[in-house]
Amino acid sequence: EIVLTQSPGTLSFSPGERATLSCRASQSVSSSYLTWYQQKPGQAPRLLIYGTSTRATGIPDRFSGSGSGTDFTLTITRLQPDDFAVYYCQHFGSSPSYTFGQGTKLEIK
Amino acid sequence: QVQLQESGPGLVKPSQTLSLTCTVSGGSINRGGYYWSWIRQRPGKGLEWIGYIYYSGNTDYNPSLKSRLTMSLDTSKNQFSLMLSSVTAADTAVYYCVRGMGGSYRPFDSWGQGTLVTVSS
Repeated sequence: EIVLTQSPGTLSFSPGERATLSCRASQSVSSSYLTWYQQKPGQAPRLLIYGTSTRATGIPDRFSGSGSGTDFTLTITRLQPDDFAVYYCQHFGSSPSYTFGQGTKLEIK
Repeated sequence: QVQLQESGPGLVKPSQTLSLTCTVSGGSINRGGYYWSWIRQRPGKGLEWIGYIYYSGNTDYNPSLKSRLTMSLDTSKNQFSLMLSSVTAADTAVYYCVRGMGGSYRPFDSWGQGTLVTVSS
């Protein structure tokens, strides 16, 4: 089973700053199957980035993804108040077919 | 734009079976290319994939839940369902029905709003 580790659990930034969130896989994974979601309190997660770096429909270009192998990154530039949320990385693979990281909470400093 | 809506009891007694239905609108579940999935989130915790059912009826379940899981389709109602047997308090969670995309990337692109199921006597 591939384990995705997101660290740290919480990040604090001020609006306007740039945030970099990490997702590390326990073994090398295909970059095609690495996805990022945003979840706000009381809401369902929303698809942000798939295939490591492709933004989903309607996602602003302030959000970008990168990485390969075991290390993946979600970068958010010019943080807006609406960006403060929990972010999950997720991988499609085998047994179980889908796994999620434990999430990183992005909070306002 | 596809929309998904969960329905079912919000309270289930321990050892009983949790049953949820997802009604899909804006798109047919009876076509290939999508994996109709369930994902849950325990209170204050992260996301856990439960399983999916394909339009053909093929299923794939999380091994940690497989022995207790059954998923089914009702194409006449454009619905898919989840049954989880022998529930305990550890199954208390918000349950989301979700559309998983096929193809080269396999993300979950459309989510229901989620429904809280509490397991308690």
